Amino acid sequence: EDQVTQSPEALRLQEGESSSLNCSYTVSGLRGLFWYRQDPGKGPEFLFTLYSAGEEKEKERLKATLTKKESFLHITAPKPEDSATYLCCVPIQGAQKLVFGQGTRLTINP
Amino acid sequence: NAGVTQTPKFQVLKTGQSMTLQCAQDMNHEYMSWYRQDPGMGLRLIHYSVGAGITDQGEVPNGYNVSRSTTEDFPLRLLSAAPSQTSVYFCASRRGQPYEQYFGPGTRLTVT
Repeated sequence: EDQVTQSPEALRLQEGESSSLNCSYTVSGLRGLFWYRQDPGKGPEFLFTLYSAGEEKEKERLKATLTKKESFLHITAPKPEDSATYLCCVPIQGAQKLVFGQGTRLTINP
Repeated sequence: NAGVTQTPKFQVLKTGQSMTLQCAQDMNHEYMSWYRQDPGMGLRLIHYSVGAGITDQGEVPNGYNVSRSTTEDFPLRLLSAAPSQTSVYFCASRRGQPYEQYFGPGTRLTVT
């Protein structure tokens, strides 16, 4: 069964304390993996697309990496404004559908 | 570009009432989807469309209807609202596969 699992469910860090969020997937024939950020009361906002194992993408304090079974979202020296829920998703069934993980709720304390 | 727009932002319905959630995009995207988001359940796909006139069911389609008569619009109809349909609904669009998806701001629906 196609599945996406994110861990941890919630993560609380101090400002400046680096960490990583995990997204593991079981899909056949990966056609990309997407990371989103969601702020309370808003729709998810696109961050990154990764297409093949070994690929990395960076944006400010965020770096996304991809292996054959999982993706990591590394956050370096985070600030309180990085607090949000981070979602990952993968296309399934010929890429017509997207299946989402349940998200990691990240809180950065000043 | 306005991107993906949704109306209304908030709605309260009584059990058994019907309504339509509106979604429009101005990016000429082929693919459009409806999701519901519930605490602890994540985003679940209700219905999706790969082009005008073509729709298909997602993970949780029961109680919802869709149609896609134009590229821009993808309304979601609740035929007879139930309390279990209390949720936040998001519409999304993307250029096609395997491109990223863009989300609207959401509609918060409460069914009493």
